[in-house]
Parts: sequence; structure tokens; C-alpha cells
Amino acid sequence: EVQLVESGGGSLQPGGSLRLSCVASGFSFSSYWMEWVRQTPGKGLVWLSEINGDGSVTNYADSVKGRFTISRDNPKNTLYLHMNSLTVEDTAVYYCARGVDHSSDHWGQGTLVTVSS
Amino acid sequence: SALTQPASVSGSPGQSITISCTGTGSDVGANKHVSWYQQHPGSVPRVMIFDVTNRPSGVSNRFSGSKSGNTASLTISGLQPEDEGDYFCRSFTTTSTYVFGTGTTVTVL
Repeated sequence: EVQLVESGGGSLQPGGSLRLSCVASGFSFSSYWMEWVRQTPGKGLVWLSEINGDGSVTNYADSVKGRFTISRDNPKNTLYLHMNSLTVEDTAVYYCARGVDHSSDHWGQGTLVTVSS
Repeated sequence: SALTQPASVSGSPGQSITISCTGTGSDVGANKHVSWYQQHPGSVPRVMIFDVTNRPSGVSNRFSGSKSGNTASLTISGLQPEDEGDYFCRSFTTTSTYVFGTGTTVTVL
């Protein structure tokens, strides 16, 4: 069974940094693209970033380019999202997802990030 | 910017409804990589359609997708109470990123 478990969310002040983790199991992690998507409470989904299987290719939404960094540790089956210079607009639930055929076929349960002064 | 979807669509049980997803020549109109996601309250999104028309294993054949120009569509046939929820489209773009739609709330009357 494919499982994705995010962690690392929390509350912090504007300007702060945070690292989110997503531990994968039930599939060959290094064979898949992985993504981060966020959702503001009561609002829509926003695609943030993706990384290919060996970590050599990354793509970012313009809204986070230069502030967020996606990475992965394949021996640990773990995906990361390093977030810097956070603002209140970054408050959201952050999901990791597995990428297949240009879609997200499995999602984690999400981790909440709250940025507030 | 986000793809445009109607805020809400409703229908009676057994009816068919269609949700539109309008983008531009840089996203929906540029490739076949449009997918659709269903999200029930308190749950994570679930992919219902990928690459415009394809259904993942386990998704009911009551769900179908299509695309014409810059607009993609999701049709739900034989509407059932469990189809209530939010639906989001997503498209690959010419800059190798993805963009989601604004989301549509489906209500079964």
C-alpha cells in the first residue's frame, strides 16, 4: 500500500524558515516524481514544486521560486521542502504527492503551516 | 494564474453535470496533461481523470473528461449523492509547471 506521511508543520512568525518532510512507503520511491501542493483552509489547491526520481530535475511555481527548495533522500525514502522568508500568505496545509502520468495519484494527509505575528 | 472553473454546479440524482476548466494556450490548450481531482470535506484530493480522458483504476466510468481548445471538461453521469464535493482541474504548462483550477463545488439536490 502506498503511504505518504508529512511532518514538520507548525506555527511561526513572518520571515521564518521551516523544513517539511514526507516519508514514503509501499512503492519504489526513487522511481517516481514527487510533488508538493498546498491548500489554504477553505480555499483551492496550489501546486508548488516537483522533483524527479534521482533529484536532478526540479520545477517551482513562480510564487515560491527562490524561497522554497525541494529535495529528496532516496535511501531514506524521504521528500523535503525547505521554506524560507515565510509570509502570512504561506499559511496552508502542505501535501506531498506522488507524480504519475502528469497527475498526483497518491497524497499524504498533509501538515499545517501557520505563519502569524 | 489559476484556471477558471464555475464556483458551483448542482444536479439531481441520476442526471449528468459538466464542469468546465478554462485556461490559455500556455496551459490547457498547449498539451494533453489535464487532470481532475475530487475532494470530500476533510479528505485529501483523489485523482479522477488524467491526461484529459483517462480514468485511473478504481474510478467509476461515470466520470469522463474531454478538452476543446483552451477548455477542459469533466462530466459526471448518473449523479449520485457520494459525488458531492469539490472538484479541481490541473494542467501542465509550457514552463514545465502545473496550475490548478479555482475549484467547483458539486451539490446533489
